[in-house]
Amino acid sequence: DQQVKQNSPSLSVQEGRISILNCDYTNSMFDYFLWYKKYPAEGPTFLISISSIKDKNEDGRFTVFLNKSAKHLSLHIVPSQPGDSAVYFCAAKRNAGNMLTFGGGTRLMVKP
Amino acid sequence: DADVTQTPRNRITKTGKRIMLECSQTKGHDRMYWYRQDPGLGLRLIYYSFDVKDINKGEISDGYSVSRQAQAKFSLSLESAIPNQTALYFCATSDPGDGPSTDTQYFGPGTRLTVL
Repeated sequence: DQQVKQNSPSLSVQEGRISILNCDYTNSMFDYFLWYKKYPAEGPTFLISISSIKDKNEDGRFTVFLNKSAKHLSLHIVPSQPGDSAVYFCAAKRNAGNMLTFGGGTRLMVKP
Repeated sequence: DADVTQTPRNRITKTGKRIMLECSQTKGHDRMYWYRQDPGLGLRLIYYSFDVKDINKGEISDGYSVSRQAQAKFSLSLESAIPNQTALYFCATSDPGDGPSTDTQYFGPGTRLTVL
């Protein structure tokens, strides 16, 4: 059973609007969460992360929110740009190791 | 030049053939990983190595083997390829630093493998 799930396989947003990508997890031992971005024919690249001791982390246009009680995190992109069109993977790990558990990914399409 | 390179980038092979995928890195990282990506399943860990003498099985190691030839090289082998090993394979590296926030994994461009 998948421990990290991204229930929306795709999302389409107009340029300039907010993109919200969601991720749910089941393993309460996870204490660090990451978002990776992947363009076609390239490997995933690290985007932003959050520790379980925080509920928000912001980096420019990207903000990750963590709701531990709901085992849910989300990535907000504001404003969305066409260059943000990519597949976004949510990942989680335990501090005791560095093995990442990935969600299935959400394909974001930002329309000009 | 890319920090993490994978060869080949694309490979088509037949059932039962032995295949080796290679990964090289110039980042000087001790930790290296092999993942496979399947549609809807994200990336799943096959094997990982925290240094040259350390090899560990990941979530889906059956049917695969690895070799850590040097700090910079980590190869993945399919001894007898089967069609359900058709996937996109990624190599990654990381440096533990002093905490989880610094142990970011850096991925290669991937190898698309098709087993007929």
